[in-house]
Amino acid sequence: KAGVTQTPRYLIKTRGQQVTLSCSPISGHRSVSWYQQTPGQGLQFLFEYFSETQRNKGNFPGRFSGRQFSNSRSEMNVSTLELGDSALYLCASSLALGNSGRGETQYFGPGTRLLVL
Amino acid sequence: AQSVTQLGSHVSVSEGALVLLRCNYSSSVPPYLFWYVQYPNQGLQLLLKYTSAATLVKGINGFEAEFKKSETSFHLTKPSAHMSDAAEYFCAVSASNTGKLIFGQGTTLQVKP
Repeated sequence: KAGVTQTPRYLIKTRGQQVTLSCSPISGHRSVSWYQQTPGQGLQFLFEYFSETQRNKGNFPGRFSGRQFSNSRSEMNVSTLELGDSALYLCASSLALGNSGRGETQYFGPGTRLLVL
Repeated sequence: AQSVTQLGSHVSVSEGALVLLRCNYSSSVPPYLFWYVQYPNQGLQLLLKYTSAATLVKGINGFEAEFKKSETSFHLTKPSAHMSDAAEYFCAVSASNTGKLIFGQGTTLQVKP
């Protein structure tokens, strides 16, 4: 079974631009979560989508948004990019068998490395 | 609230030596705990997961971790380090009522020949 895929793998943008990242979960997985990884802040949860609805949200500004499609694929968007948005963005998928998703194993994609100049 | 502390941002061992990576957690509910490994320019790969079924959890690549409630610890060990084990390791706990993972700051493992 194919793993989580993310596109593009690398991206260079300038301040003020916006960017859209894509994530395809493992087949049959219904939940997709996004994380930001930076050297200073480590791994931080952005949001989770389940059944095309945002189920949970981390402490990021409204410039960060996402959505999920009926086939469980997900996109995240960052508008008005800032230098501090440079990071590795990781997508993870899980089966989502339970109501809350608590304790479910998340499988990560290779990430999209975003550089903001 | 849940949190994870990984003691030691860098650990260096010789090839063939014991690997011990430390993780302490804080959780208001019985925890689900995970160890992930990240190789350079890659995503996170699951090593093992604690779900309360057994306190000693065996994972991939010869790694195992022991859950100790009294010490609120979930340390990762491997009897004999290989060069290929050099990577960054993350301990994580599942949030109390969501699927969100809360990660430690990570430990970089260096394996010397």
